Amino acid sequence: DTAVSQTPKYLVTQMGNDKSIKCEQNLGHDTMYWYKQDSKKFLKIMFSYNNKELIINETVPNRFSPKSPDKAHLNLHINSLELGDSAVYFCASRPHDRAGEQYFGPGTRLTVT
Amino acid sequence: AQSVTQLDSQVPVFEEAPVELRCNYSSSVSVYLFWYVQYPNQGLQLLLKYLSGSTLVKSINGFEAEFNKSQTSFHLRKPSVHISDTAEYFCAVSVKNTDKLIFGTGTRLQVFP
Repeated sequence: DTAVSQTPKYLVTQMGNDKSIKCEQNLGHDTMYWYKQDSKKFLKIMFSYNNKELIINETVPNRFSPKSPDKAHLNLHINSLELGDSAVYFCASRPHDRAGEQYFGPGTRLTVT
Repeated sequence: AQSVTQLDSQVPVFEEAPVELRCNYSSSVSVYLFWYVQYPNQGLQLLLKYLSGSTLVKSINGFEAEFNKSQTSFHLRKPSVHISDTAEYFCAVSVKNTDKLIFGTGTRLQVFP
């Protein structure tokens, strides 16, 4: 009965590798997001999708590419990983017409060595 | 542009004591205001929100926040905290009719027995 799920929960990888994080929501929401939380707990939006269409694309390096195969899934692919990419990445979704009311996944802790 | 300031990075308090977590925002346009809570190793959960109407909003677990337009504040209060309230609390704003949440840097509430 998980609402917003992410896999994997932990990801340890070396610089230069390519990795993906998957997100799925079973809430029937149209809008999904990716956030990055740094080591100081600062949370910043990266992308948002509405019904598979990109809506928000913050100033994120091109190495980050979101993909939404359907409105229940929003995956994040990262190319050529760098040390500074180490963070916790959160996926979230939002019901239609509920401004700001976002449901967050448990997070994926990415460590780049 | 909008910004959110949470002046206190940490608030230590004893169980059953009252607590106030401060949040100030800056915006030239009308905004919605939110408090999210993040328990250890979990994603964020919406605690309460102000969209319009009564400036005092309450959560189901005893927290309340008051929107003060003249002071551009949305402080979070609880008259008597529990150990289980130990968590990171994030204040956030979104501009009306946009989909972007802007978070503050968070306040860690630590409740001691």
